[in-house]
Amino acid sequence: EAGVVQSPRYKIIEKKQPVAFWCNPISGHNTLYWYRQNLGQGPELLIRYENEEAVDDSQLPKDRFSAERLKGVDSTLKIQPAELGDSAVYLCASSLRDEQFFGPGTRLTVL
Amino acid sequence: QKEVEQDPGPLSVPEGAIVSLNCTYSNSAFQYFMWYRQYSRKGPELLMYTYSSGNKEDGRFTAQVDKSSKYISLFIRDSQPSDSATYLCAMGNSSASKIIFGSGTRLSIRP
Repeated sequence: EAGVVQSPRYKIIEKKQPVAFWCNPISGHNTLYWYRQNLGQGPELLIRYENEEAVDDSQLPKDRFSAERLKGVDSTLKIQPAELGDSAVYLCASSLRDEQFFGPGTRLTVL
Repeated sequence: QKEVEQDPGPLSVPEGAIVSLNCTYSNSAFQYFMWYRQYSRKGPELLMYTYSSGNKEDGRFTAQVDKSSKYISLFIRDSQPSDSATYLCAMGNSSASKIIFGSGTRLSIRP
């Protein structure tokens, strides 16, 4: 069974540029999560989807971050414009019940 | 004060030693307790999961929860170099779908 797929794996951009991350969850998993992991820290939830609905986006900085999950499968997380402090690893996870399965993450560097 | 506190390490022990990793928490509503392992450049993977006080054993790993002290532990017996990774504790209240991670402890097992 394929795991959670994320792309790109690495991204380097200059500040004020836009960037987008893509996630393909494990087939059949209706819950999808986006986390941000800063260096030396644990993941912090940005947004959680149940199928197509964003049920928890309280930690998503909505002035510059947006996300969508079309048809309840793949998801895209966007930052526009990026700031220096956005440099981090962006993790996608999916779950069917309690256990969350994580992808390898996208390492973003903002210069 | 963070909801979940975890010593960041690094912790270095010789192969075969018993490893003890710990977290404390402040939110008495937490009912779900997890340990994740994260290798470098990878996403976290679930190691242990429990929702009650006491011990849970799985091979060389034992998870211990003391709700009265708000303290959880992970013990690794007969540690192997392949156990070298960052270990993250995580906790949730009403369900495992919204969890708070500790900052992680970096563990190195010396051959």
